[in-house]
Amino acid sequence: QQQVRQSPQSLTVWEGETAILNCSYEDSTFNYFPWYQQFPGEGPALLISIRSVSDKKEDGRFTIFFNKREKKLSLHITDSQPGDSATYFCAASALTGANTGKLTFGHGTILRVHP
Amino acid sequence: DTTVKQNPRYKLARVGKPVNLICSQTMNHDTMYWYQKKPNQAPKLLLFYYDKILNREADTFEKFQSSRPNNSFCSLYIGSAGLEYSAMYLCASSTRGGCNQAPLFGEGTRLSVL
Repeated sequence: QQQVRQSPQSLTVWEGETAILNCSYEDSTFNYFPWYQQFPGEGPALLISIRSVSDKKEDGRFTIFFNKREKKLSLHITDSQPGDSATYFCAASALTGANTGKLTFGHGTILRVHP
Repeated sequence: DTTVKQNPRYKLARVGKPVNLICSQTMNHDTMYWYQKKPNQAPKLLLFYYDKILNREADTFEKFQSSRPNNSFCSLYIGSAGLEYSAMYLCASSTRGGCNQAPLFGEGTRLSVL
């Protein structure tokens, strides 16, 4: 059973456009959602994260929108740059309890930004 | 130094032979994780150490071993490699219960079993 789902599997946008990456989850105990960016040959790097008490988190061109009721979140990348081309993983974990810190990942979205 | 280091970056192993992968961090993180990543699949948690306590996921319990001789080092051991073990192995570390719990990942070890 896949607990974290991402869509689309791949996304192509033009430079300057807004890329929207979607994520949904099933486990209601999840309350912390980091997004990781991974370039080929490198490990995943934390991009931005949000806790379930918030519905929005912004960091420069990257914004997470979170809907707790629907168990959905999305990552918006505004003014997309070719250097943003990477795989983006949505992950989820619980901040308390026995599973604290254990991340459940989605399959990832491959983003390509054309100049 | 705020990085997680993994050695080696690439590892070639023969079927049936043991494999030992190494991870280190100097951030005094209390928790270290090992994930397995195969193409087109989500990274999958194999096990993690919280301090000296090892926690292994139920579906990979018998396939992987690990040791953590001190706070900075953690190994992943495969006793007898099979073709299905070919994957990227990612080590990560974090402070459990900290304000920012997002684990920090190393660059990974790509294991190819032939």
